[in-house]
Amino acid sequence: DSGVTQTPKHLITATGQRVTLRCSPRSGDLSVYWYQQSLDQGLQFLIQYYNGEERAKGNILERFSAQQFPDLHSELNLSSLELGDSALYFCASSSPRRGSSGANVLTFGAGSRLTVL
Amino acid sequence: QKEVEQDPGPLSVPEGAIVSLNCTYSNSAFQYFMWYRQYSRKGPELLMYTYSSGNKEDGRFTAQVDKSSKYISLFIRDSQPSDSATYLCAMSDSGGYQKVTFGTGTKLQVIP
Repeated sequence: DSGVTQTPKHLITATGQRVTLRCSPRSGDLSVYWYQQSLDQGLQFLIQYYNGEERAKGNILERFSAQQFPDLHSELNLSSLELGDSALYFCASSSPRRGSSGANVLTFGAGSRLTVL
Repeated sequence: QKEVEQDPGPLSVPEGAIVSLNCTYSNSAFQYFMWYRQYSRKGPELLMYTYSSGNKEDGRFTAQVDKSSKYISLFIRDSQPSDSATYLCAMSDSGGYQKVTFGTGTKLQVIP
């Protein structure tokens, strides 16, 4: 158990629907990252939050949104789903203290597997 | 052009072989270089990281960084079936909470 909790583990839904993925970061970590992993694209950075504020944005579609709450858990909302959104969605958290030489070491959750039919 | 390029493999080797995994990158600002291992149906986990150029050894694993060539490598000595996984290189331009950019991963299979 990495300490990063993601729910749900699996989700099957239809095109056009909306889903919410939830992430609880490792205890003490203030930063949360969302990544999308598909077979042909690898691990794609979506968005990063630090202590409730958006810090960096990657290749996140306008149909997707995220937020980090005061208790530091984060939610990724995916709307108007398309077949191509089927993927593994990973949440990761980090804290500078954990990388003793300053590296931003990410701890990943087990992922949420989304299937859009 | 992607910031980080990694041969997707798959790479299949016999047990005991030396494995070489590589990534190239284009962003000269990258300072931290990491290798993550991802087992099937699991999240990636950090294997090791290096700062700037040079080598770092951890047991059977050695990470090398050549910033002049923008090329990093991970060597696995005496490979074991338990090393079968996808290996992802990752990089960031500084520490703290900076964005980490991943390669697409190389799938490795070690055959007993």
